[in-house]
Amino acid sequence: DGGITQSPKYLFRKEGQNVTLSCEQNLNHDAMYWYRQDPGQGLRLIYYSQIVNDFQKGDIAEGYSVSREKKESFPLTVTSAQKNPTAFYLCASSPTRTGYEQYFGPGTRLTVT
Amino acid sequence: GENVEQHPSTLSVQEGDSAVIKCTYSDSASNYFPWYKQELGKRPQLIIDIRSNVGEKKDQRIAVTLNKTAKHFSLHITETQPEDSAVYFCAARGGGGADGLTFGKGTHLIIQP
Repeated sequence: DGGITQSPKYLFRKEGQNVTLSCEQNLNHDAMYWYRQDPGQGLRLIYYSQIVNDFQKGDIAEGYSVSREKKESFPLTVTSAQKNPTAFYLCASSPTRTGYEQYFGPGTRLTVT
Repeated sequence: GENVEQHPSTLSVQEGDSAVIKCTYSDSASNYFPWYKQELGKRPQLIIDIRSNVGEKKDQRIAVTLNKTAKHFSLHITETQPEDSAVYFCAARGGGGADGLTFGKGTHLIIQP
């Protein structure tokens, strides 16, 4: 999982602004995922992508958007439509397209005030 | 969709004793069950996983058991050590494609010296 990077580690934004979180992997993994973690909660799936130029909504996609223009990169945009954007965002990747063995990046803690 | 319940939410054991964390899932088509360990402020780390065609898997002090009929799976840690203190998450991957993982809400394991 050392080959998955997320930046920045901490991000602060004002309400009403869109913000993009970076996720890069050099593991040549096919699938990539975005999860959100709130205090005392498990992780919840936002979006995932099995191949370049294709992605699917997860359980809580409203207010988020993604792109997958390169195999190594899967950025997440938190839009102003997301009602409660403050959270810990975790990106993961998997060597298979079927979701086994997901490895996580270090996460980005987003605070919106 | 899949629903994963995890118990207990907090578990305190004496160093050297065993710890057991239990999860149930709702989707009978789920076929992959990983366990993650997360230390405070860090990324979740995959510690062990099991697929639906296997009933038990062991890796040193850690083991996972799966009962497909009852739709539950458990994490067993033997000879617990202080470094085992963390939050542990179970997860399930639904059948039929890379739908991402559905996580339980976590168990805070405390190892008492």
